[in-house]
Amino acid sequence: GDSVTQMEGPVTLSEEAFLTINCTYTATGYPSLFWYVQYPGEGLQLLLKATKADDKGSNKGFEATYRKETTSFHLEKGSVQVSDSAVYFCALWGSNYKLTFGKGTLLTVNP
Amino acid sequence: GAGVSQSPSNKVTEKGKDVELRCDPISGHTALYWYRQSLGQGLEFLIYFQGNSAPDKSGLPSDRFSAERTGGSVSTLTIQRTQQEDSAVYLCASSQGQLADYGYTFGSGTRLTVV
Repeated sequence: GDSVTQMEGPVTLSEEAFLTINCTYTATGYPSLFWYVQYPGEGLQLLLKATKADDKGSNKGFEATYRKETTSFHLEKGSVQVSDSAVYFCALWGSNYKLTFGKGTLLTVNP
Repeated sequence: GAGVSQSPSNKVTEKGKDVELRCDPISGHTALYWYRQSLGQGLEFLIYFQGNSAPDKSGLPSDRFSAERTGGSVSTLTIQRTQQEDSAVYLCASSQGQLADYGYTFGSGTRLTVV
């Protein structure tokens, strides 16, 4: 079945540091890939998405590229801010019409 | 409404009691999903509705869990004879159509604590 594996946290960075959160997936067919973010005390929000191989999703300075050859969708940001502190979830939508999520990665950015 | 609304936002219940969690999706969204978020477990799929029908109930953890949706709108998740392991945040999401195009919109969740 479909599955998503993302790097375990927590990840702690200083402001303006470079961020990478790794995500790999297993799925049949050609899934769509997503990153969701959950800020403290809030619900999940869609951060970015990519629907086919080599697509790059981007939003709020975050980027992720759909790599079919490595079955990966790593999240990156060049310079993180304190306000980026949140839990980040990688997810895929495959052939069974529902989102399958990774376990989440807690990011803390210190000033 | 403007977003997905869930109630109550917090619920503390005694072990063995029944609870009902409510989800009010975005108007016009035909698909509705329930997930459970537990510490260290990520998001666990529970059930999916398309209109009032539930083509996929595969994620319901036991027969103590049930859900219904009426009028293609509001959904209720019922947990009977609650156990401590049911403590979690229960999230509802709705979607307008093909997920790849529209994505899910999540509610803020109901935090259930069974004591």
